Amino acid sequence: AQSVTQLDSQVPVFEEAPVELRCNYSSSVSVYLFWYVQYPNQGLQLLLKYLSGSTLVKGINGFEAEFNKSQTSFHLRKPSVHISDTAEYFCAVSVKAAGNKLTFGGGTRVLVKP
Amino acid sequence: GAVVSQHPSRVICKSGTSVKIECRSLDFQATTMFWYRQFPKQSLMLMATSNEGSKATYEQGVEKDKFLINHASLTLSTLTVTSAHPEDSSFYICSARPTYDRGENYGYTFGSGTRLTVV
Repeated sequence: AQSVTQLDSQVPVFEEAPVELRCNYSSSVSVYLFWYVQYPNQGLQLLLKYLSGSTLVKGINGFEAEFNKSQTSFHLRKPSVHISDTAEYFCAVSVKAAGNKLTFGGGTRVLVKP
Repeated sequence: GAVVSQHPSRVICKSGTSVKIECRSLDFQATTMFWYRQFPKQSLMLMATSNEGSKATYEQGVEKDKFLINHASLTLSTLTVTSAHPEDSSFYICSARPTYDRGENYGYTFGSGTRLTVV
């Protein structure tokens, strides 16, 4: 079975500063990787996904992530955050097999300070 | 883009009553839908996978008789919390994957969630 670890439960950051959210996964088979954002009392919105190909993935709202197979990581970055980026961020994996269920990490709460 | 509508967004019910939550794919057909539960400040836990026209597949530890799932059409799945108790209070979220998605895009679209409070 696969698992996802988000190393930071909370990340405070000042507006216009860069941010990196760490995600490591464990799986015995190849996986697809995702980052989602959740605003209070809302569902999840897809930021970006890695399926195959280039290991650097660009998503919406200026976010990008890099897949590192040797380190089994998929860290999310943004060079300059806005107040509106305050939210919960979830890393998730799915296995390239029947079912394709998503397994989520514990989430990282980003608090952008003015 | 693909849109999933979840209704209601909030519901308060009395202990012992049942509550139904609907998840609709508005502009696509979804053979498979997923139901998640999220406790405050925690991650999403998959409860069950709902397949159109067949029985849902429940994750280990999820009571089938407690959380009834019906996926009667390609655009609608429902979750019924039966004989609800305060410990069932939580945020429930559904997601759907388009039928035409055969793995190339893995597009999971999420509903906006339902906050259930059992009093």
